[in-house]
Amino acid sequence: AQKITQTQPGMFVQEKEAVTLDCTYDTSDPSYGLFWYKQPSSGEMIFLIYQGSYDQQNATEGRYSLNFQKARKSANLVISASQLGDSAMYFCAMREPQNRDDKIIFGKGTRLHILP
Amino acid sequence: EPEVTQTPSHQVTQMGQEVILRCVPISNHLYFYWYRQILGQKVEFLVSFYNNEISEKSEIFDDQFSVERPDGSNFTLKIRSTKLEDSAMYFCASTRQGIGLAKNIQYFGAGTRLSVL
Repeated sequence: AQKITQTQPGMFVQEKEAVTLDCTYDTSDPSYGLFWYKQPSSGEMIFLIYQGSYDQQNATEGRYSLNFQKARKSANLVISASQLGDSAMYFCAMREPQNRDDKIIFGKGTRLHILP
Repeated sequence: EPEVTQTPSHQVTQMGQEVILRCVPISNHLYFYWYRQILGQKVEFLVSFYNNEISEKSEIFDDQFSVERPDGSNFTLKIRSTKLEDSAMYFCASTRQGIGLAKNIQYFGAGTRLSVL
């Protein structure tokens, strides 16, 4: 079973509009961390935002916010006022610290295209 | 702002050759990782490294792979005899904190694209 599910392989959004990228996760661990990374066409992996499972508030970082719905195991990324430079691949990821291994598990990603 | 540095950005090699991918993690970080991304696929964990030894490795990380921290700054991934299916983007990552802390933000390098011919 997939640990991280991103159901939108691609999205097209008009510049300046807000966009929501979906992510659901699967874990039985009460303590976990959720991440979003951005991968532009140049290939690097850029950390965007983090949400801890015990955090009471949704994480925000500038134009990025994470809509964390714990009961639904959902951690959607919201980008407000999208810009052309937001065009990239976006990966949702999770870490379960109670497991021995400390790897990050990635979803398959969503390719976001911002239209001028 | 400190960053993870990877060299080279692109490596082309013949099948069967050895390659060494290099990484300089962020200087005060203690935990190091290699991930792989085959073109068009998701990022997969290869290995984690702490205190000069492997702490965890995936099934992908077979005997053809090895990692080393030869000095205080570099962290290398060696593929002993490359195969066509090793063609991928290889990412190095590092973090200050380790196992047991959920906010283990791993900062990634820009990647090395390995092409095996």
